[in-house]
Amino acid sequence: AQSVTQPDIHITVSEGASLELRCNYSYGATPYLFWYVQSPGQGLQLLLKYFSGDTLVQGIKGFEAEFKRSQSSFNLRKPSVHWSDAAEYFCAVGAHTDKLIFGTGTRLQVFP
Amino acid sequence: EAGVAQSPRYKIIEKRQSVAFWCNPISGHATLYWYQQILGQGPKLLIQFQNNGVVDDSQLPKDRFSAERLKGVDSTLKIQPAKLEDSAVYLCASSLDGVSMFGSGNTIYFGEGSWLTVV
Repeated sequence: AQSVTQPDIHITVSEGASLELRCNYSYGATPYLFWYVQSPGQGLQLLLKYFSGDTLVQGIKGFEAEFKRSQSSFNLRKPSVHWSDAAEYFCAVGAHTDKLIFGTGTRLQVFP
Repeated sequence: EAGVAQSPRYKIIEKRQSVAFWCNPISGHATLYWYQQILGQGPKLLIQFQNNGVVDDSQLPKDRFSAERLKGVDSTLKIQPAKLEDSAVYLCASSLDGVSMFGSGNTIYFGEGSWLTVV
C-alpha cells in the first residue's frame, strides 16, 4: 500500500539557516511526489511537485526538493529560511486513482 | 483565476447536531475531493468525485457522513449526527480531469478549509 513518512514532527531553525525536511515514501510504481505548505488557519498551498525527468525540482518561495529513487526519499530544502516560512509542511504521493496520500506533516518553527 | 471556495470557514456545534459544508471548485475542474484533517495529522481523503459520480468513498463514515455533487460542479458535505472526534478541518480540493491525472501533469488545488469544532 502507498504511504508517506515524515520522520520529523517538529523542527526549529534560526532565521537565515538552511533547512531540510525529510520525506520517505512507499509506492510500487513511478511515484508522483508533492510538497504542500499550510500556514496557520489556511489551506494547503503547493510548493513543488515531481512527475518525471530532472530529479532536482524547483518550487515557489525558494524551495527545492530532490527525488532519490534508491532511498525512496523526496526531501525538501531551502538554503536560507525566512521567518515567514514558519508553517506546517506536508509531503504527499499521488496514487494511481488520482488522489493524494499525505504524511503526518512537519511543523517548522523559525527563531529570529 | 479564482481558487477553490469553501464555506463556512468556522463552525462550532454540539455533539449529535448536524452540519453542512459547501465547496465550489475551480471552474472547469471535473474532479472534486473532500479531505478530513484532524489536528496533528495529515489530510485523509473522505470522498472523491469525478463530475457527479463517486470515484472513491472507501474512507467516508457512511453512517454519519454524506456528500453530493449536483450537476458536477458544487458539492456539499454533511455530518449528522456529529461526534466529538469529527472535530477537524474539512478541506475541499479540485483538479482537471484526465486519465492518470498525475501522469498528465495535473495538480490538486485546495481551498482554505472549513474548521469544525464539536463540543
